[in-house]
Amino acid sequence: GAVVSQHPSRVICKSGTSVKIECRSLDFQATTMFWYRQFPKKSLMLMATSNEGSKATYEQGVEKDKFLINHASLTLSTLTVTSAHPEDSSFYICSAEQLAGVFSETQYFGPGTRLLVL
Amino acid sequence: AQTVTQSQPEMSVQEAETVTLSCTYDTSESDYYLFWYKQPPSRQMILVIRQEAYKQQNATENRFSVNFQKAAKSFSLKISDSQLGDAAMYFCAYRSPFFYGGATNKLIFGTGTLLAVQP
Repeated sequence: GAVVSQHPSRVICKSGTSVKIECRSLDFQATTMFWYRQFPKKSLMLMATSNEGSKATYEQGVEKDKFLINHASLTLSTLTVTSAHPEDSSFYICSAEQLAGVFSETQYFGPGTRLLVL
Repeated sequence: AQTVTQSQPEMSVQEAETVTLSCTYDTSESDYYLFWYKQPPSRQMILVIRQEAYKQQNATENRFSVNFQKAAKSFSLKISDSQLGDAAMYFCAYRSPFFYGGATNKLIFGTGTLLAVQP
């Protein structure tokens, strides 16, 4: 149980285009989803927290207009990198947490998306 | 604010041996959760073990066990009978108790310990 999927696993795009990354909880309802960014050999950096049906809460220094997050249902959250630039190239990871139940109060992570902006 | 410290950037262990990864944290909260996550070369974050602070008993999951010392704010991970597949980056993480709609359910991560397993 507690499986989180992420799609795509890797994407290459041209500078100036937008990229959408999907995060799905497959076997539980995710009250909260989180989006992280990770640089090589570094820890995870939280970008934003999203609760189903409400606006995402962004961490300090993260541009909300650049990284659009939509948590439309209890099993799906999307991160859209708008007008991507080479400096946005990174590894993006989502996680999901259940409000109550067997998987509650524990974050389960997706496999990550490697974004390369040319 | 809570902080998590992993003082060992890299560790190495021989296959079949035992290794202990250190983690200390700082908090003024009395109730919280602690986690160890494993990130192998695939970069998939995998939950290894979870400890609830109100439980005095140390959590165990097969070959993985923790030494939770609440007063010392220490949460070390012991891996017994190390296997080649245990080679990974290990992250210690702290989480406040859940409050619905609040931001306190964020994970606070340490900087990680890269574990190498020698055959």
